Amino acid sequence: DAGITQSPRHKVTETGTPVTLRCHQTENHRYMYWYRQDPGHGLRLIHYSYGVKDTDKGEVSDGYSVSRSKTEDFLLTLESATSSQTSVYFCAISGQGAGNEQFFGPGTRLTVL
Amino acid sequence: AQTVTQSQPEMSVQEAETVTLSCTYDTSESDYYLFWYKQPPSRQMILVIRQEAYKQQNATENRFSVNFQKAAKSFSLKISDSQLGDAAMYFCAYRETSGSRLTFGEGTQLTVNP
Repeated sequence: DAGITQSPRHKVTETGTPVTLRCHQTENHRYMYWYRQDPGHGLRLIHYSYGVKDTDKGEVSDGYSVSRSKTEDFLLTLESATSSQTSVYFCAISGQGAGNEQFFGPGTRLTVL
Repeated sequence: AQTVTQSQPEMSVQEAETVTLSCTYDTSESDYYLFWYKQPPSRQMILVIRQEAYKQQNATENRFSVNFQKAAKSFSLKISDSQLGDAAMYFCAYRETSGSRLTFGEGTQLTVNP
């Protein structure tokens, strides 16, 4: 298995509170991604990073911010969580090259009450 | 923007039989990659098979094969000799050659009946 972990694995929080999810990799891959998975929508890209301090928005970036200060860590922050952000969040990593496989973390189930 | 559509939310198959999952996509690009990912109840995303658009030959990985129809923008997954362990959600995904992001379909939930 690719060396990719996510923390926490489960979290329950209240509307309006800040939440940070962490993705950590030991593969030294350049690219890191955050997706959310919701029934009927598959996985949708939130943000991604193509290097330290280099990030870009995905298709559902509103309400989320990211940071990458080290190659191995990619943080996803919900500044003020809303119930619509209840979801399963996946981190993924890949090397450079469109044919390269994206390796996924185990996912974080976030519930916003 | 590229879109990926899986028109079968649920499919079922008898153990040892063959099943085909459908996927269509929309793109103006001529070169790209297509993928099928499997997500069992453990939630782990597992790459099943990939196809490079410029390759005419359909990709095959053991019991898994694809039918890639570039002109029709169709990319179906065939699972032969289905096993109970094949039961999972299957996602089709698209990636531009020049890009790094994946665009996923909605998924097909496959049930394997003993």
